[in-house]
Amino acid sequence: KQEVTQIPAALSVPEGENLVLNCSFTDSAIYNLQWFRQDPGKGLTSLLLIQSSQREQTSGRLNASLDKSSGRSTLYIAASQPGDSATYLCAARANNDMRFGAGTRLTVKP
Amino acid sequence: NAGVTQTPKFQVLKTGQSMTLQCAQDMNHEYMSWYRQDPGMGLRLIHYSVGAGITDQGEVPNGYNVSRSTTEDFPLRLLSAAPSQTSVYFCASRRTSGTYGELFFGEGSRLTVL
Repeated sequence: KQEVTQIPAALSVPEGENLVLNCSFTDSAIYNLQWFRQDPGKGLTSLLLIQSSQREQTSGRLNASLDKSSGRSTLYIAASQPGDSATYLCAARANNDMRFGAGTRLTVKP
Repeated sequence: NAGVTQTPKFQVLKTGQSMTLQCAQDMNHEYMSWYRQDPGMGLRLIHYSVGAGITDQGEVPNGYNVSRSTTEDFPLRLLSAAPSQTSVYFCASRRTSGTYGELFFGEGSRLTVL
């Protein structure tokens, strides 16, 4: 059974700092890995999707990497802003089953 | 483009009552799924469907029923609500072709069972 873990559970940084969120998974036989953002009381918004054959994906200030052999993915956020405050979740997909981590709650202080 | 639409957004039930959570998507996605999100437990898959007339169980299917008569709609039925089903429910959809398939979520339905 695939287990997805996100560390840390919570992170607080000053505005402007670069930061890295971590995601680890136990079964490397994945189709893809997806990063989401969730604001309080809202649904999940897709940020980046990395195929199993890819090493990284970039969108604006966000960069996600994938290392299947070590079972790890990272989400790098450059020049953080207060508007980046949210919970970030990663999910690893194998066939029709997508397993989610519990998320990292990020607070960016002005 | 509306994406994935869920109704209702909030619902309070008494133990033993039944209800249906509605989910509709307008992206012509073959795959649709239901998750529940509970504090400290992340999102867990309840049921999913890879096309009209095809459904299958996820990780936590007990107490829930689904059907898929059209590509657009995937309702989730609670047969006899229990307090343990108090949760936030999310519907999600994606394409099934190939391994590429970005998952899109609805805004969620918050259910309280008394």
